[in-house]
Amino acid sequence: NAGVTQTPKFRVLKTGQSMTLLCAQDMNHEYMYWYRQDPGMGLRLIHYSVGEGTTAKGEVPDGYNVSRLKKQNFLLGLESAAPSQTSVYFCASRSTGVNSPLHFGNGTRLTVT
Amino acid sequence: GEDVEQSLFLSVREGDSSVINCTYTDSSSTYLYWYKQEPGAGLQLLTYIFSNMDMKQDQRLTVLLNKKDKHLSLRIADTQTGDSAIYFCAESRMDSNYQLIWGAGTKLIIKP
Repeated sequence: NAGVTQTPKFRVLKTGQSMTLLCAQDMNHEYMYWYRQDPGMGLRLIHYSVGEGTTAKGEVPDGYNVSRLKKQNFLLGLESAAPSQTSVYFCASRSTGVNSPLHFGNGTRLTVT
Repeated sequence: GEDVEQSLFLSVREGDSSVINCTYTDSSSTYLYWYKQEPGAGLQLLTYIFSNMDMKQDQRLTVLLNKKDKHLSLRIADTQTGDSAIYFCAESRMDSNYQLIWGAGTKLIIKP
């Protein structure tokens, strides 16, 4: 039982390049989330999904796109990376109960030069 | 405002108690959470409290909630080196469809 798995763990991009971050969960969770974590700030929600085939914008969605084609996977795309997107990205999932806890992946550290 | 606020750092001696504080602003909060993040890892749920409770104890952890002052604290008794981590406070709001609003995290530093 792997929980939430993120790939890659690290990536360096040049400004303008694109990439996709992968998140997979094996807990049959309905809800999945992408956050970014920056020093001195809390987690900020980028996009989320409440089920297969659905996505919604979070607090800081600009410059990112997401897809949830399969229930277990939630992909985060950067179409044209900018230095402001240098961050640590976390994927999380949870079941539908109001108080069900978030389960996090170990993060992807992205540097955009 | 929407902020959940925490001090960025707390330094304590090994064996002492650590008290990490958090303030929030929204009275529609339903659950309040403490998550722990160890270096290089994701966040893990440590404990939580429902908004109609004022205290919860779980082994070395004690959560206190003062709803009138919108103040939440996490006390770790007999702090050990393995407690070194960043501790995040988060609130779940009914009016935000239970999305979590996060504090910036408090880094707990243990002195020998």
